Amino acid sequence: DAGVIQSPRHEVTEMGQEVTLRCKPISGHDYLFWYRQTMMRGLELLIYFNNNVPIDDSGMPEDRFSAKMPNASFSTLKIQPSEPRDSAVYFCASMASGAKNIQYFGAGTRLSVL
Amino acid sequence: AQSVAQPEDQVNVAEGNPLTVKCTYSVSGNPYLFWYVQYPNRGLQFLLKYITGDNLVKGSYGFEAEFNKSQTSFHLKKPSALVSDSALYFCAVRDISFQKLVFGTGTRLLVSP
Repeated sequence: DAGVIQSPRHEVTEMGQEVTLRCKPISGHDYLFWYRQTMMRGLELLIYFNNNVPIDDSGMPEDRFSAKMPNASFSTLKIQPSEPRDSAVYFCASMASGAKNIQYFGAGTRLSVL
Repeated sequence: AQSVAQPEDQVNVAEGNPLTVKCTYSVSGNPYLFWYVQYPNRGLQFLLKYITGDNLVKGSYGFEAEFNKSQTSFHLKKPSALVSDSALYFCAVRDISFQKLVFGTGTRLLVSP
């Protein structure tokens, strides 16, 4: 398996623009997690899905952030409108239930909002 | 709430020397504990986990971790450090929801030649 695939790897955008980050989980994994990593706040869980259904979105910072998982092989994290403080590395991770909570991370998307 | 603490922002060690990266935990019930490593410009990679059984857990790349219930600690160790071990290390505990992980703040390990 190719692992968790995220795209794009790097995104540079201007304040106010819409940004969409994409994630393809490992085939057969039924959990998907979105994280954000910054120097100031460390690694934060934003939202996670089980069987394509959002379970906990308490980490989503505000209404400008939204996440969807239309099917088992694809998820998006959207920021609209983007702000400079959203600049961070965003990670997607997937996990198989019954796998003792081992999460597999993608390489991340580095977002810069100017 | 379940939590872990990594008291050191950075650990410096010379190549060939033993290394320890510290982690303490606070949980309700039995802990599920994990260590992950993050190399530059990469995602986190699973190293090892403790669920039950032997207090000494062996993982990838020669790393091991010692679970100590009385001290509520789960320190990561390696007998002989390599320069290539230089990375960011995260301790984590399974959340009370049994589904998500709670990560520590990370410890940067620098191994000098």
